[in-house]
Amino acid sequence: GNSVTQMEGPVTLSEEAFLTINCTYTATGYPSLFWYVQYPGEGLQLLLKATKADDKGSNKGFEATYRKETTSFHLEKGSVQVSDSAVYFCALSDQGDSNYQLIWGAGTKLIIKP
Amino acid sequence: ETGVTQSPTHLIKTRGQQVTLRCSSQSGHNTVSWYQQALGQGPQFIFQYYREEENGRGNFPPRFSGLQFPNYSSELNVNALELDDSALYLCASSTEGFETQYFGPGTRLLVL
Repeated sequence: GNSVTQMEGPVTLSEEAFLTINCTYTATGYPSLFWYVQYPGEGLQLLLKATKADDKGSNKGFEATYRKETTSFHLEKGSVQVSDSAVYFCALSDQGDSNYQLIWGAGTKLIIKP
Repeated sequence: ETGVTQSPTHLIKTRGQQVTLRCSSQSGHNTVSWYQQALGQGPQFIFQYYREEENGRGNFPPRFSGLQFPNYSSELNVNALELDDSALYLCASSTEGFETQYFGPGTRLLVL
């Protein structure tokens, strides 16, 4: 079945460092790919998405490119801030007969130190 | 535009009890999905409701059941609670045929 694998955390960086969080997937067909962020004590917020190969999703300085050839959707940011500290989840949409459900990675905790 | 809301925010129950969690979907959204997120893990799909019918189900036993109402709000019911049911329960709304789901803040359930 479809699955998502993320790099294990926590990832600890200093402020203004470059961020990469790796995400790879296994899927039949051509799912859409998502990054969600979860701040402490809160629900999940959609960060960005890409719906087809070579699409680049971007939001709040974060970017991820849908790479079909490497089945990857790595999250990047050029200069992180303390406020980016959160758990980041990679997910893909799994289309059933009549619905879409999200298949999730285990999450990567990001800690940014001042 | 009103986002997805859930109630209650926190809940403590004892093993064997029953619980009902509630979700109001985002304005204009007719599909509601429920997820269980255990501590330190990614969410797991429980089921989805569309037009008041269950429209897909994950690997959860029948004691997890749900409802959707004509206004698209939804309930998740869990009978015979077990300790492993302790988790954050997330509701997400979307529009039929669209993949993007928008999440509420979740209900944190603790089973003692």
